[in-house]
Amino acid sequence: DAKTTQPPSMDCAEGRAANLPCNHSTISGNEYVYWYRQIHSQGPQYIIHGLKNNETNEMASLIITEDRKSSTLILPHATLRDTAVYYCIVRGMDSSYKLIFGSGTRLLVRP
Amino acid sequence: EPEVTQTPSHQVTQMGQEVILRCVPISNHLYFYWYRQILGQKVEFLVSFYNNEISEKSEIFDDQFSVERPDGSNFTLKIRSTKLEDSAMYFCASCRIMNTGELFFGEGSRLTVL
Repeated sequence: DAKTTQPPSMDCAEGRAANLPCNHSTISGNEYVYWYRQIHSQGPQYIIHGLKNNETNEMASLIITEDRKSSTLILPHATLRDTAVYYCIVRGMDSSYKLIFGSGTRLLVRP
Repeated sequence: EPEVTQTPSHQVTQMGQEVILRCVPISNHLYFYWYRQILGQKVEFLVSFYNNEISEKSEIFDDQFSVERPDGSNFTLKIRSTKLEDSAMYFCASCRIMNTGELFFGEGSRLTVL
């Protein structure tokens, strides 16, 4: 089962920041937090990942709390094309380092 | 930008037939995965593959399924004797570095079993 908890849905206005929360209170010290999104039925798309420091790339920023029990994905200027299901995933350190997808947050960006 | 490619994009088959879904992972990637997503449901892990062998498989991945990397570039998923409940999107993914590298997913193959 997924090790994360996310709200089932959120919405934000186009051009505003979208802040997507994720709880991962049972995360282990060497487990990374990954964010992916899935637009309609397309393949999941990698967004960003981090261990304990905040991370930023051209798509988003990832803020991880100091105790690492939660994180927030920030899309700084959401566009209509950012409407998607966003998955927060704690990547297990098992033999295959697979990703286990939960139900995610369905983000609707409003015009 | 390199990408994972999957063929066919959509396949329709009769129940009981065999299906092969093909994937070309990113060229310098070493770890390969198959996932499936039944319409309206979660993306589910099926199998991971490294060094020409299965490294992990889920409960879904029973004897009906097999994977192969026949020629060093393609990565295939074979489904024997398809059932109606095998209808789903099947996603291939690859990764260069196992423990921290991101998985890159293909656009999927939609399988419809009639």
